[in-house]
Amino acid sequence: DGGITQSPKYLFRKEGQNVTLSCEQNLNHDAMYWYRQDPGQGLRLIYYSQIVNDFQKGDIAEGYSVSREKKESFPLTVTSAQKNPTAFYLCASSLQGDSNQPQHFGDGTRLSIL
Amino acid sequence: GQQVMQIPQYQHVQEGEDFTTYCNSSTTLSNIQWYKQRPGGHPVFLIQLVKSGEVKKQKRLTFQFGEAKKNSSLHITATQTTDVGTYFCAGSQDDYKLSFGAGTTVTVRA
Repeated sequence: DGGITQSPKYLFRKEGQNVTLSCEQNLNHDAMYWYRQDPGQGLRLIYYSQIVNDFQKGDIAEGYSVSREKKESFPLTVTSAQKNPTAFYLCASSLQGDSNQPQHFGDGTRLSIL
Repeated sequence: GQQVMQIPQYQHVQEGEDFTTYCNSSTTLSNIQWYKQRPGGHPVFLIQLVKSGEVKKQKRLTFQFGEAKKNSSLHITATQTTDVGTYFCAGSQDDYKLSFGAGTTVTVRA
């Protein structure tokens, strides 16, 4: 079955620690996205990548970093500079990197501060 | 920046009743998408509207795009318990990004 796999499902971060959230897709999609979901605020775009080896900042990129070395993978690092990292993180992909394409989401990673 | 507002934030519906959730943008949109997120789940794409005044139906769900392409609505008739979840609209201004509304969370009284 094709889809998007996010891991881990739950993640805990200590103060001053960087953590990396994994996102893998086998849909052969060009574009991948990272969103943050907080209660009552919908989905906010952190980073997106339209093609391998290229990515752009979204609306709330500060304190986050990404890489896109492989088409299938788009890991998100939450750095210690992100002072309020507790949230539900969703990875998505679309066939192409334009807004007319439906986005397919993974099951998410819930990040909490220890 | 572009903002997409959704109302109401919460909708409590008696099973069998109809309800509507609304999505409004401060700017003209090139297209609008609707997603549903079940409790504990992830958003799932429902539909996309592109044309001014467009209306699309999926069984008991009716989606509409406004004439000015600044607003959209989702109307559900004869609500069932399977309709529980959060419905998001997401709009775009001809770029590569979707702006999501905050969602309408629907609960159903049996």
